[in-house]
Amino acid sequence: QKEVEQNSGPLSVPEGAIASLNCTYSDRGSQSFFWYRQYSGKSPELIMSIYSNGDKEDGRFTAQLNKASQYVSLLIRDSQPSDSATYLCAVHGSGTYKYIFGTGTRLKVLA
Amino acid sequence: DAGVIQSPRHEVTEMGQEVTLRCKPISGHNSLFWYRQTMMRGLELLIYFNNNVPIDDSGMPEDRFSAKMPNASFSTLKIQPSEPRDSAVYFCASSLIPPVGGVASDQPQHFGDGTRLSIL
Repeated sequence: QKEVEQNSGPLSVPEGAIASLNCTYSDRGSQSFFWYRQYSGKSPELIMSIYSNGDKEDGRFTAQLNKASQYVSLLIRDSQPSDSATYLCAVHGSGTYKYIFGTGTRLKVLA
Repeated sequence: DAGVIQSPRHEVTEMGQEVTLRCKPISGHNSLFWYRQTMMRGLELLIYFNNNVPIDDSGMPEDRFSAKMPNASFSTLKIQPSEPRDSAVYFCASSLIPPVGGVASDQPQHFGDGTRLSIL
């Protein structure tokens, strides 16, 4: 079992729809969770971080964390073609300096 | 504020040559990470440092790879000798992490622009 799992996609959504990206993790002691966006040929860029159970909203982005079920999700409202990218989930475990990355979900927003 | 700075941005060299990648982390960050990214394997952690000390190098693929962090503002990743299968994008990232066992923090990693390495 991979430590951080994401569906590789591609996930295709029409412009204006809600895109839902999911991530599960295996280390129950994980404490911090991050979503990065990576455009082709570019470096990962931080979108959201979440630390506590529940929802955290920032503009069109909402991160959701459920530690009991060991999943974290990212919702993108009013999706735009410019949101088309690969979204990486990263988990910072307890007792470690490491950030564990998933393999990413490729999102395509269709105009 | 300056972000993580990597050099060179692109490197093309012939098999067998020594390659040195450089990274300047964000000032004040205490942890530095080297990653390699390929289409096949995704983002792989090679090695990370905390307070200039290598903590885990288990991701370094072979003895041909070595990394140093002589001070808080500079790190190098060296490949000697290089091979075509080393071709990838190499990212450096830095973060401010509390001591292990301390209070959890939501400090993220910040990535440099990467070095695109091609070994012919």
